Formats: sequence, C-alpha cells, structure tokens
Amino acid sequence: LAKTTQPISMDSYEGQEVNITCSHNNIATNDYITWYQQFPSQGPRFIIQGYKTKVTNEVASLFIPADRKSSTLSLPRVSLSDTAVYYCLVGPQGTGRRALTFGSGTRLQVQP
Amino acid sequence: DAMVIQNPRYQVTQFGKPVTLSCSQTLNHNVMYWYQQKSSQAPKLLFHYYDKDFNNEADTPDNFQSRRPNTSFCFLDIRSPGLGDAAMYLCATSRGVGDYQETQYFGPGTRLLVL
Repeated sequence: LAKTTQPISMDSYEGQEVNITCSHNNIATNDYITWYQQFPSQGPRFIIQGYKTKVTNEVASLFIPADRKSSTLSLPRVSLSDTAVYYCLVGPQGTGRRALTFGSGTRLQVQP
Repeated sequence: DAMVIQNPRYQVTQFGKPVTLSCSQTLNHNVMYWYQQKSSQAPKLLFHYYDKDFNNEADTPDNFQSRRPNTSFCFLDIRSPGLGDAAMYLCATSRGVGDYQETQYFGPGTRLLVL
C-alpha cells in the first residue's frame, strides 16, 4: 500500500482557504486518493475522493497533478467548525477485501 | 436514516475482565471493519469481515477477536483487556461491491476504559 505523508498540523483563520497537501510517491496505477475528516470523539467522515486532475463537491476540492505523487485538499472559506483532523488515504481498487490504512493525519485548527 | 450504530458509547472494564463491544448497521453493507484509535493517533485497523470472510491484520494481538453472526451485526471481543487497550474503538462499513476505493461509513465509536 502507498505510504502517505501529511503535515502534522496547520492553523488558519475563519474565512480563509486552506490547502492540505499529501505526498504519496509510490502510488500505484490503480490507486485512488481519499480524504476523511474526523472531529473529536467521532468517527471519521468521508470528504472527497479522486483519481486524477480535479474533483469538487459541496465540501471541498481535490487537486491531483499529472504524476499523482501528491494531492491537495482545498477547503474554501473555513469556519470554526472545520477544526478537525484530516486524513489522506491511498488505496487500490477492490471490493473491500483489502482495507485501507490511515496515515498520521493533519490537525487543522481554525481561529476566529 | 441508515447508519452505523455502536453500543455502548462508553465502556468501563476491569483489567483482565473480558469485554464485548457491539456494532450494527442498517446500510446492508458487505464489509465491516474494526479500528482501534488511541489518543492523538490515527485509527488502526484491527480486522475486517467481507461478508463472512474474516481478515485479520498481521499485527492485531490474539487478545482481540471478532464475530459477525449476520450481515447487520459485528462484535469485538477483548479476552483479557490490559491498560494499553484503553482506546476508542471504531466500527465502519463499506458496500464491498465496487471496483473503486469504497467509502467507509463510521460509527460514533465506543470509548473503552480499563481500570
């Protein structure tokens, strides 16, 4: 499984755009990139998933360069409620028989 | 709403006293996972079931066992809890039918305290 590297923590202010980058140098051809968000004392929650280029949903955008060795989660105009840990996961195609491994995650602190 | 339910939310047990944590799901998903998460650490996968097929992680201690009597329920048994087993235990599910990396749906977790 591809190993991921993320910053341990980031700080931001309300209303700013936050970009969290994840490195995955040994990503395989069939691997997808997925980001989860976890609030204290809750289970992680799916945010976004992508394979290449750019993916956008109502919560975030995911930018993946052509070589796919990194990816950037972009959170537009963060609020205090976006304070959480964000995990980048890289894993193969499959039907659930090969489970994923969470990396260390990035702890985002949003200040007023 | 379809969801992943974990009971209890908080569990206190004594050192060495067996304890069982439960998870149920109304999503009708094929795959169910158990993770252990210690304070300020990432979730660590213990094992998962693909339908009735049990998949144990290589570094999961023998002290941890699991049962899945039917599609909806999955149990985590800790045979002899030690102080180091105090953690949040997370249950998750995924559909198990696609060719893509599947979304995992997590329950709220059970926080285990070992006295």
